[in-house]
Amino acid sequence: SQKIEQNSEALNIQEGKTATLTCNYTNYSPAYLQWYRQDPGRGPVFLLLIRENEKEKRKERLKVTFDTTLKQSLFHITASQPADSATYLCALTSNSGYALNFGKGTSLLVTP
Amino acid sequence: DGGITQSPKYLFRKEGQNVTLSCEQNLNHDAMYWYRQDPGQGLRLIYYSQIVNDFQKGDIAEGYSVSREKKESFPLTVTSAQKNPTAFYLCASSPVQGEGDTQYFGPGTRLTVL
Repeated sequence: SQKIEQNSEALNIQEGKTATLTCNYTNYSPAYLQWYRQDPGRGPVFLLLIRENEKEKRKERLKVTFDTTLKQSLFHITASQPADSATYLCALTSNSGYALNFGKGTSLLVTP
Repeated sequence: DGGITQSPKYLFRKEGQNVTLSCEQNLNHDAMYWYRQDPGQGLRLIYYSQIVNDFQKGDIAEGYSVSREKKESFPLTVTSAQKNPTAFYLCASSPVQGEGDTQYFGPGTRLTVL
């Protein structure tokens, strides 16, 4: 069956450090992968999309890598800030091609 | 929350009652989706619609129904057949149905069955 696995334990880091979140998947052959941010009690917000032919993508302090051989994506936040504290979700298109499947998310807490 | 509204924000229902959750978008998006999120869980797809008057079941459609009579609107009805309806419900839309489309989410409706 298809699975999307993200770190189940919360990630606690100090302000200014780099946070690295992992997304592993099985039984997908994704053309692209997406990352979303979700704050408590709110809907997810799109952050980045990376395609299978892109090894790395950057947006301001965010960086995503995509290794289709390892079936893994890494999501980095550099110079982290307390405002970055949230849950981060990894998403892949379902095999139907018409909807997204989401991982359970990793909770990030950045402390001053 | 990008042009998608969901109402109400909080909803309480007695067991055995049907309830309808509203979702409206003014983004002119073709595709719309309903997800359910339980504490500590990922989003699970209930229904999706690629075009007006057409919709497909997602992974957990049992006990739910939808309609898509207008492009802007995709209401979800939680019926009494849904065994565990208490959850956070999220509606989303995307500009073009198909691969790679970013989804835009509403603020969610938290449903509690008393």
